Amino acid sequence: QQQVKQSPQSLIVQKGGISIINCAYENTAFDYFPWYQQFPGKGPALLIAIRPDVSEKKEGRFTISFNKSAKQFSLHIMDSQPGDSATYFCAAAPRGNYKLTFGKGTLLTVNP
Amino acid sequence: DAGVTQSPTHLIKTRGQQVTLRCSPKSGHDTVSWYQQALGQGPQFIFQYYEEEERQRGNFPDRFSGHQFPNYSSELNVNALLLGDSALYLCASSLYETVINQPQHFGDGTRLSIL
Repeated sequence: QQQVKQSPQSLIVQKGGISIINCAYENTAFDYFPWYQQFPGKGPALLIAIRPDVSEKKEGRFTISFNKSAKQFSLHIMDSQPGDSATYFCAAAPRGNYKLTFGKGTLLTVNP
Repeated sequence: DAGVTQSPTHLIKTRGQQVTLRCSPKSGHDTVSWYQQALGQGPQFIFQYYEEEERQRGNFPDRFSGHQFPNYSSELNVNALLLGDSALYLCASSLYETVINQPQHFGDGTRLSIL
């Protein structure tokens, strides 16, 4: 049973455009929602994270939007750059729990 | 400030063999979690260690076991290897008392190939 569904599987964006990746979850006990960026041959790196008490969090060009009633959250990458080309994973975990449940990932390609 | 380090980076084994993977957490971290990432998939939680004890476990068989040492480093052991165990094994570390914020830092993993 996949508890975190991520879409799209792949995404191609032009330089300067907006990249949007969506995730939906089922477990209402989830309380922590991070996004990770992974380059080939590297481990996932934490980008930005949100808790359900806020609807949006912005860090630089990266923004998480969170809709608790719909059990959905999304990552927006503004002014996308070729260096942003990587695989992005959403994840979720219950409060006080280390077990992160990951989505299947989105391969983002930003064309120059 | 060293991040999470894992060794070896690559490993080739045959079915039925046993393997040990190693992880040193980020400086100042005391908690280690292990994840399995199959090709084209997201990481899956195997287990988490704190104070040298397994605290949480995911849906993995008993062939997967681990250990944490007094210096917080950790080992992942897999017995009776199967072809399906081929994957990238990731170690993540964090500071237990910050569990509310749960920032986990990942290493670059060990690529395990089973022939």
